[in-house]
Amino acid sequence: AQKITQTQPGMFVQEKEAVTLDCTYDTSDQSYGLFWYKQPSSGEMIFLIYQGSYDEQNATEGRYSLNFQKARKSANLVISASQLGDSAMYFCAMREKTGRRALTFGSGTRLQVQP
Amino acid sequence: ETGVTQSPTHLIKTRGQQVTLRCSSQSGHNTVSWYQQALGQGPQFIFQYYREEENGRGNFPPRFSGLQFPNYSSELNVNALELDDSALYLCASSDSGVRPYGYTFGSGTRLTVV
Repeated sequence: AQKITQTQPGMFVQEKEAVTLDCTYDTSDQSYGLFWYKQPSSGEMIFLIYQGSYDEQNATEGRYSLNFQKARKSANLVISASQLGDSAMYFCAMREKTGRRALTFGSGTRLQVQP
Repeated sequence: ETGVTQSPTHLIKTRGQQVTLRCSSQSGHNTVSWYQQALGQGPQFIFQYYREEENGRGNFPPRFSGLQFPNYSSELNVNALELDDSALYLCASSDSGVRPYGYTFGSGTRLTVV
């Protein structure tokens, strides 16, 4: 079974600084995908970034980058130059590459950006 | 392109009642998944429909059922509601996983069971 662990229930960061949100995962699959989603108070899950298990380079999407360490089974999200609008819940998720292709989510990290 | 629309946005039901939640998928997407997100937790996979057939299910009892229609919209039905069914229900559509990150989520239906 797949499992995602996010050990930081809450994080604070000053505006314009960088912040790292931790995510570790457990799976017996060789092929899988890792996602980060942002969930504002409105409830919608907003896709941020994706990393495939065979991707050799770390994924980047604008101010978001994913620090993928396969041997350690970690997929940390780095947000550079934080903005007030980044305040939200952040979820790490893993997707099976075969079978159900369901997403398994972690418990989330609440990020608060302070002016 | 339109996104994923869920209705209603909020709902209050009494224990033992039945409820139907609706989801219209993003244009071009033929797969719909449903997730339950209890307060303070991450979403949990309920089931997935592909071309009108269920093709994956999480650890939820049979009183959670669904449908997918020819236009790829979907319904989630929950019978014999329990207090623990109170949660945000999220619908996500995708294009059969051809693109690895082809998930689009709706804003959810917040169900309260009293």
